[in-house]
Amino acid sequence: QVQLQESGPGLVKPSQTLSLTCTVSGGSMKSGGYYWSWIRQHPGKGLEWIGYIYYSGSTYYNPSLKSRLTISADMSKNHFSLKLNSVTAADTAIYYCAREVWGATGHFDSWGQGSLVTVSS
Amino acid sequence: QPVLTQPPSISGAPGQRVTISCTGNSSNIGAGFDVHWYRQLPGTAPKLLIFSNNNRPSGVPDRFSGSKSGTSASLAITGLQAADEGDYYCQSYDTGLSGSVVFGGGTKLTVL
Repeated sequence: QVQLQESGPGLVKPSQTLSLTCTVSGGSMKSGGYYWSWIRQHPGKGLEWIGYIYYSGSTYYNPSLKSRLTISADMSKNHFSLKLNSVTAADTAIYYCAREVWGATGHFDSWGQGSLVTVSS
Repeated sequence: QPVLTQPPSISGAPGQRVTISCTGNSSNIGAGFDVHWYRQLPGTAPKLLIFSNNNRPSGVPDRFSGSKSGTSASLAITGLQAADEGDYYCQSYDTGLSGSVVFGGGTKLTVL
């Protein structure tokens, strides 16, 4: 059973860069067939897909965040990371990492517990 | 505004059957993309409930079922239990947003 765990600062100042890492255990990110994804949830709101990285290193981002976003991975350490720069209060959210099963319309079968990131001075 | 539309809330008595709708358009559900459903209990991460319209992951009871028709999908829950309370989200893809993953706004289910 694959497990995902987010880690990173819970507080980021406005205009700085939000950085989170997701550590994957119980399975290898190099096995293929999955997109390693980030999803966020603003307080009391719904879910917003951020983007993913594939084991090949290819990435795909939400167009609304693309200009500020970088998702990278270290397959040897079985973890992937999110960097969102120039953050504002609107980026305050719970950030989840998740595994998306590859397919015509992939679904998220495993999720991390979530990491609350607050943007505030 | 979420791309997929769900009712903000529904309620039902224990033992009853409830359905949650998820309405899209020709750029997402109507384009043939599958719909998936998740349940989120307070303070926890979403959990996959139904995938590819009507398939249950191992461990999800058959009280939960999904369907899809045209530009909409539905999640049905029979034999409602107190433990079913939570927020339910549908998910699909949307070609109008460069192939982005899209979610519904969520439906809060209350068991009376």
